[in-house]
Amino acid sequence: GENVEQHPSTLSVQEGDSAVIKCTYSDSASNYFPWYKQELGKRPQLIIDIRSNVGEKKDQRIAVTLNKTAKHFSLHITETQPEDSAVYFCAANYQAGTALIFGKGTTLSVSS
Amino acid sequence: DAGVIQSPRHEVTEMGQEVTLRCKPISGHNSLFWYRQTMMRGLELLIYFNNNVPIDDSGMPEDRFSAKMPNASFSTLKIQPSEPRDSAVYFCASSDGHQSGYTFGSGTRLTVV
Repeated sequence: GENVEQHPSTLSVQEGDSAVIKCTYSDSASNYFPWYKQELGKRPQLIIDIRSNVGEKKDQRIAVTLNKTAKHFSLHITETQPEDSAVYFCAANYQAGTALIFGKGTTLSVSS
Repeated sequence: DAGVIQSPRHEVTEMGQEVTLRCKPISGHNSLFWYRQTMMRGLELLIYFNNNVPIDDSGMPEDRFSAKMPNASFSTLKIQPSEPRDSAVYFCASSDGHQSGYTFGSGTRLTVV
C-alpha cells in the first residue's frame, strides 16, 4: 500500500521568511496530492492540492510542486505570517474513492 | 450545508465500557472515512466506505473496533470494550469520490480512564 513520509517534523521561521515542507510517497500509481492545515484543537482543512498531470500550482502565498519521477512533492509558503502557525499534513492516493494516506505532519511556528 | 457532523465532541469513559462515535457526512458525498489521530502515530486510516459499503478495514486495530454505515447519511464507529490506549481524537471525513479533498468533521476526543 501507499506510504507517505514527511519532513521536517518541526519548522520554525521568522515572520516574512519562506517555509518549505517536503513529502515522498511510495506508490507510483498515486496521482492526487492534497495538503491540509490543522490549527490547534481544530479539524484538518484542505489548503491546496495537485494532480499528477500538473507540476506546480499556486494560490496566493502558497504553492505546491510535484516531481513524479522522484515521487516527491513539496509545499512552499512565502512571506509567512504568525497565523500560518499550525500543523501541516501532506497526503496521497492513487484513485478516486480510495483513502488518502497522510504524512505524520509538520508543526510550523512563525515568530514575529 | 452544515458540513460533516460528528458526535459527541468529547467522550470520557471508563476502561471496559462500550463507546459509540457518530458521523453524518455531507449530503451527496458517497465516500466516508474514519481516522484516528494521536501525537505518536499522526492521522491513521481506520476504515472507509464507498456508497455505504466498507471497502478497506485493514486499519482497524483489532476486533474491539467495528464500524457501520446503514445508510448514506449516517455512520458509527464502536469500540467494545474500550481501553486507555484507545484515547485519541477520532475524525470522520467525507468526499464526493471524484478525487477531491476531504471535508473533515470536528472530531471526537475520546479519553478512556
